[in-house]
Amino acid sequence: EVQLVESGGGLVQPGGSLRLSCAASGFTVSSYWMSWVRQAPGKRPEWVANVKQDGSEKYYVDSVKGRFTISRDNAKNSLYLQMNSLRVEDTAMYYCVRGGQGDQLICRIWGQGTLVTVSS
Amino acid sequence: DIQMTQSPSTLSASVGDRVTITCRASQSISSWLAWYQQKPGKAPKLLIYKASNLESGVPSRFGGSESGTEFTLTISSLQPDDFASYYCQQYHSYPGVFGQGTKLEVK
Repeated sequence: EVQLVESGGGLVQPGGSLRLSCAASGFTVSSYWMSWVRQAPGKRPEWVANVKQDGSEKYYVDSVKGRFTISRDNAKNSLYLQMNSLRVEDTAMYYCVRGGQGDQLICRIWGQGTLVTVSS
Repeated sequence: DIQMTQSPSTLSASVGDRVTITCRASQSISSWLAWYQQKPGKAPKLLIYKASNLESGVPSRFGGSESGTEFTLTISSLQPDDFASYYCQQYHSYPGVFGQGTKLEVK
């Protein structure tokens, strides 16, 4: 069964840091673009970042550039998101998403999400 | 950024109805449009990709079409399991914006 399982979310103060992890099973992440997509309560999903199969290309939404870093470890079949300088507006459910082999932004498989709350 | 305008925001319908949800892109995205279904407390699920292609395992009552920069999701005969929220997403260019969503509720 194809599955993505996120972890690492929690409550953090503004200015703090968190590292999200995503463990994949049932497929090899090295064959796909992988993304993080977030969704604030009651809002539409928002694509956050993605990374190419070999890690050579990474893209970010403007609002997180310079603060968030996406990475992957194909040997561990895993995806990560390092989030620094967190803001209240970063509060959301964060989903690990499998993209396509060529399609960089499509969201074919979603994890169950991990909740990040930024509050003092 | 390409903007995606989705309508209506809420749609009331009954089992057996045919319903249509529309998404308009602010510029050409060719056919790079996906539709997702989301139920409360769950992650979105891909229904349709490249405007009109049904994802594997998705019932055939779901269909997608396009006309220029306007895209349509149609459910031919609503089933109880279809009451949920629906989102479009353009994946033509970064940052892969989603539409505002349509909540399909029981009439």
